Amino acid sequence: DIEMTQSPSSVSASVGDRVTITCRASQGISSWLAWYQQKPGKAPKVLIYDASNLQSGVPSRFSGSGSGTDFTLTISSLQPEDFATYYCQQANSFPYTFGQGTKLEIK
Amino acid sequence: EVRLVESGGGLIQPGGSLRLSCAASGFTVSSNYMSWVRQAPGKGLEWVSVIYSGGATYYADSVKGRFTISRDNSKNTLYLQMNSLRAEDTAVYYCARDKGIVGPHDYWGQGTLVTVSS
Repeated sequence: DIEMTQSPSSVSASVGDRVTITCRASQGISSWLAWYQQKPGKAPKVLIYDASNLQSGVPSRFSGSGSGTDFTLTISSLQPEDFATYYCQQANSFPYTFGQGTKLEIK
Repeated sequence: EVRLVESGGGLIQPGGSLRLSCAASGFTVSSNYMSWVRQAPGKGLEWVSVIYSGGATYYADSVKGRFTISRDNSKNTLYLQMNSLRAEDTAVYYCARDKGIVGPHDYWGQGTLVTVSS
């Protein structure tokens, strides 16, 4: 199975900050990577797919980059509604594994 | 409007069986790739299974041989038959529509809680 490792596991930031979350795959996954946002008690919501494509309706302050084994999710200017947990997921091969999550908290 | 509504969760004893349903509206289940994803209490997300539009199915190793994904085209509904349930299967189970064969899960249901306990 492909292991997905996110860093950091948690991060504290302020409104207006730029935040970057990293996801590393244990083997190459081309660009078959998605990023999700999850708020407590809610279903996840896709933000980015195919590593860098912004899902329809998602604000442009979210962006993704990377290919192969190393990927990043960047939030250019944090808004209050962005405080949540973020997950990466690879879709290169079964099982479609998720990272362990990164909790973004208010400083 | 795309909508997914799960049902069928509840408290079940270890070794028991349960069938989850996911009623879809706003699109056709049989024309899409459909997945189940679960989340144990306080834990991260775990992909469980997918069914392709052509009918092929794939499973996580943790559920292979015990869970079966299927669909009823006439009811536009996705199912997850769960047998030989274990305590570690306790989780919120989400159904999701996939954007494509390697696409993300672009629409999700609200989830249904399965608790396996004696």
